[in-house]
Amino acid sequence: DVKVTQSSRYLVKRTGEKVFLECVQDMDHENMFWYRQDPGLGLRLIYFSYDVKMKEKGDIPEGYSVSREKKERFSLILESASTNQTSMYLCASRIGPGSGEQYFGPGTRLTVT
Amino acid sequence: GQQLNQSPQSMFIQEGEDVSMNCTSSSIFNTWLWYKQDPGEGPVLLIALYKAGELTSNGRLTAQFGITRKDSFLNISASIPSDVGIYFCAGQLSGTYKYIFGTGTRLKVLA
Repeated sequence: DVKVTQSSRYLVKRTGEKVFLECVQDMDHENMFWYRQDPGLGLRLIYFSYDVKMKEKGDIPEGYSVSREKKERFSLILESASTNQTSMYLCASRIGPGSGEQYFGPGTRLTVT
Repeated sequence: GQQLNQSPQSMFIQEGEDVSMNCTSSSIFNTWLWYKQDPGEGPVLLIALYKAGELTSNGRLTAQFGITRKDSFLNISASIPSDVGIYFCAGQLSGTYKYIFGTGTRLKVLA
């Protein structure tokens, strides 16, 4: 079974704080994704990583950065958290470009006050 | 961002009934995925489809990849209370790593 884990289920941060969200997958997947999910807007891609140290901006990268130093770990960084970044953050992974199956983690519900 | 048209938006059904939902797109996809998401949880992959016309089952769930590659449907047979949740589709755009997600169908099962 594919397992994608996220470091926190719930997080409350203050405006202006630097926030780290961690994601780990245990299936040696090449590709990893960060999405945010908001009511009425669905899932929106923030960043995609196709391999270690390789990344591409998604549809809404502003205010976020990512780090992938090891294959199994993909971190999302909010440089200076703002209230409009309050959301459900979902990490996902897949084997590689030849596979369409994308597996999600349990999500991190982030509240910025 | 772009979302796929998914219908119905919500359904209330009796336990034991069959359920059908579908997704349509103006884009062509090379993969269709169906997920179930419980409140506060991450989506769980139910079925993956790779070829136009493909029909795939997973227990009581059956999904099909439309012939035009622009639509897909999911059927749930003999629904049970634990089927409650939000179901959504996702299509992978051909030649890209991008997925477009459906708007979701909220399913409620009355015992």
